[in-house]
Amino acid sequence: GNSVTQMEGPVTLSEEAFLTINCTYTATGYPSLFWYVQYPGEGLQLLLKATKADDKGSNKGFEATYRKETTSFHLEKGSVQVSDSAVYFCALRGNTNAGKSTFGDGTTLTVKP
Amino acid sequence: SQTIHQWPATLVQPVGSPLSLECTVEGTSNPNLYWYRQAAGRGLQLLFYSVGIGQISSEVPQNLSASRPQDRQFILSSKKLLLSDSGFYLCAWSVPDRGNTGELFFGEGSRLTVL
Repeated sequence: GNSVTQMEGPVTLSEEAFLTINCTYTATGYPSLFWYVQYPGEGLQLLLKATKADDKGSNKGFEATYRKETTSFHLEKGSVQVSDSAVYFCALRGNTNAGKSTFGDGTTLTVKP
Repeated sequence: SQTIHQWPATLVQPVGSPLSLECTVEGTSNPNLYWYRQAAGRGLQLLFYSVGIGQISSEVPQNLSASRPQDRQFILSSKKLLLSDSGFYLCAWSVPDRGNTGELFFGEGSRLTVL
């Protein structure tokens, strides 16, 4: 079946540091890949997505590239802010069975001023 | 615009008591609907999904059940709660005709504590 493996957290960075959160996946067919963000006490919201190989998703300074050859979708940001502190989830959505999504375990990011 | 609401936001229930969490989507028709559970410090586990009224698929065996009595209403229930049912429950919807390229839209979540 499908699976997503995320870099374990928690991750603590200073403001303006570079961020990488690794994500690799296992899936059959041609999944779409997503990064969601969850702020404390809230539900998840989409951060960015990529629907085919070599696509780059980007939003709010975050980027991730769909790498089919390495089955990866690493999240990066060049300069983090305190407001980026949240839990980040990598997810894939398969193309069968109502397009069910499979999530990684989440990575908690704390950015200190 | 589309919105999703779930309630209650917080619930504290004794072991053995019943449960009902409700989720409603507005501004769209025939959405795919999902219930996820997020245990503390862990990822999301898909519990149920539905592609239409009365159509429910269960992902994991458990003492929870789901129903979809109306197109945009999704209910998570239990007749007798267990301690292990504690967690953060999230309802979500997706556009059915986007295949697998569309994202999930999540509700605000319901935090359940079973004592």
